Amino acid sequence: GDSVTQMEGPVTLSEEAFLTINCTYTATGYPSLFWYVQYPGEGLQLLLKATKADDKGSNKGFEATYRKETTSFHLEKGSVQVSDSAVYFCAQNYGGSQGNLIFGKGTKLSVKP
Amino acid sequence: DAGITQSPRHKVTETGTPVTLRCHQTENHRYMYWYRQDPGHGLRLIHYSYGVKDTDKGEVSDGYSVSRSKTEDFLLTLESATSSQTSVYFCAIGAGELFFGEGSRLTVL
Repeated sequence: GDSVTQMEGPVTLSEEAFLTINCTYTATGYPSLFWYVQYPGEGLQLLLKATKADDKGSNKGFEATYRKETTSFHLEKGSVQVSDSAVYFCAQNYGGSQGNLIFGKGTKLSVKP
Repeated sequence: DAGITQSPRHKVTETGTPVTLRCHQTENHRYMYWYRQDPGHGLRLIHYSYGVKDTDKGEVSDGYSVSRSKTEDFLLTLESATSSQTSVYFCAIGAGELFFGEGSRLTVL
């Protein structure tokens, strides 16, 4: 069935380091792909999305490109800040539904000053 | 911010008792969802609704029921709570992009 796999955490980086969080998906169709972020004690917020192959989503310095050939949607940021410390979730919609999402298990990022 | 309110935000209950969590939205959105979040599992869909009185099961629906009598309210009920239902429950609204509430932490002793 459809699924999302993202790299295990936790990930610990120093401030201004480069971030990559890997995400791959399996799908029977052509899903939209999403990255959500969850700050401590809060609900999830959409960080960025891409709706078709080769689309690049970007927001707050984060980027991810929808790669159909490798079924991937890796999250990157060139220079992380302490305020980026959070849990990041990769997700896809499925079953032809706009809203039903399958989430990866989440990757916790800690950024040290 | 999307107007989504979950109540209660925290609840401790005992095994076998009924529990109802409420999600209230002010966005007049057609689609509403209940997810649970557990360590090592990410978020998993329990039930969703695509309109008043229109609901369907998600991935982990056993032991849960839902009701939607008004557009703005989506209730999640645990008829007889078990310790395996200890979790953080999130309500969400939207289609294509979801907006989440702040979560309800339920502990079943």
